[in-house]
Amino acid sequence: GESVGLHLPTLSVQEGDNSIINCAYSNSASDYFIWYKQESGKGPQFIIDIRSNMDKRQGQRVTVLLNKTVKHLSLQIAATQPGDSAVYFCAEKAGGYQKVTFGTGTKLQVIP
Amino acid sequence: DAGVIQSPRHEVTEMGQEVTLRCKPISGHNSLFWYRQTMMRGLELLIYFNNNVPIDDSGMPEDRFSAKMPNASFSTLKIQPSEPRDSAVYFCASRQTSGGALSTDTQYFGPGTRLTVL
Repeated sequence: GESVGLHLPTLSVQEGDNSIINCAYSNSASDYFIWYKQESGKGPQFIIDIRSNMDKRQGQRVTVLLNKTVKHLSLQIAATQPGDSAVYFCAEKAGGYQKVTFGTGTKLQVIP
Repeated sequence: DAGVIQSPRHEVTEMGQEVTLRCKPISGHNSLFWYRQTMMRGLELLIYFNNNVPIDDSGMPEDRFSAKMPNASFSTLKIQPSEPRDSAVYFCASRQTSGGALSTDTQYFGPGTRLTVL
């Protein structure tokens, strides 16, 4: 079996605090970005997206910030709850039919 | 809507056997994706279809892997012969793609098939 796994960066946050998950992307041609959440034993689930003509977009308790200058994306979760514990993936796409490229993911642990 | 449906949810097989994974995308979606997820390599795109036509299969690891989409509501991923290193969780996802400048990529993932090859 596998003895060495992909090392996921882990963010531990106290319940009720705000969480910030960061992501660096590499393709300067990417014009569409998505955040997915994957809970244990489940498939990834869409959270929020943003186009490159925007630098901020807000959803329910979540905000995505995009800095194209440094090719950086972040996901902010307000008032983090135990149900937010999961692995979070950023993904990028360039052009309409281009495939989406997923990052390696960040594990968020919420401490009750 | 029932979402993306995958079967089986778990598959245990012996090395050398043929494995077929099945996916039913969300009705009305015109793009379908097969991913593989392992601890070693994370989430990898294997192949994706648009309007039942394979667009990019560069992620398919080798000739032992093949995927088909005979119609808009069904796709299979086949491994023949299977090897222990194929053990992973295989996800199917679908989306509605318009292809224009305003196209989105809200992919809806199925629950996955956990494959174990002994």
